[in-house]
Amino acid sequence: GENVEQHPSTLSVQEGDSAVIKCTYSDSASNYFPWYKQELGKRPQLIIDIRSNVGEKKDQRIAVTLNKTAKHFSLHITETQPEDSAVYFCAASSNQFYFGTGTSLTVIP
Amino acid sequence: DTAVSQTPKYLVTQMGNDKSIKCEQNLGHDTMYWYKQDSKKFLKIMFSYNNKELIINETVPNRFSPKSPDKAHLNLHINSLELGDSAVYFCASSQVAQGHGYTFGSGTRLTVV
Repeated sequence: GENVEQHPSTLSVQEGDSAVIKCTYSDSASNYFPWYKQELGKRPQLIIDIRSNVGEKKDQRIAVTLNKTAKHFSLHITETQPEDSAVYFCAASSNQFYFGTGTSLTVIP
Repeated sequence: DTAVSQTPKYLVTQMGNDKSIKCEQNLGHDTMYWYKQDSKKFLKIMFSYNNKELIINETVPNRFSPKSPDKAHLNLHINSLELGDSAVYFCASSQVAQGHGYTFGSGTRLTVV
């Protein structure tokens, strides 16, 4: 089965700085890579996703990159704000989702 | 309208009891899921179910059983609750054929005392 590794497990950045979270996957059949944000006490919510036929996707301050050859993908958040503080999960999917172990991001005002 | 709704939001119960958590989705999705999130925030798949197939994570104790009266509902029944069952349980749904992401319910925080 698929194995998704996510790093780092915790990340603290100053407000305005960038944050990068990285994930690797093992199954070359995986073709869909969503990212979820989970604020404290709330449900995980989809914030951005990328498919295997695309190398990069951007939505305002967040972007995701995918390197199919190396089997890794990353979430980039620029100009971080305190409201970006949350746990972020990556996932890889062919016909079933496999989640990473989560990254707790803290943005320090 | 809430897309994926779970009830109850909080559940406190004693060891040995049997309890159920209900989940309903109004998105017309073909597949529903149950996840367990422990204190370390790991999201662990428990079950996935569509109208054709139930896939069970083999590490889930058989005290846990999903029940689906129709494609819009997937309830979770737990027998003989144990302290280690305390966690947040999330229901989710997706339209697998479209390759879209999950929509999660708001979660049920189960505390076994």
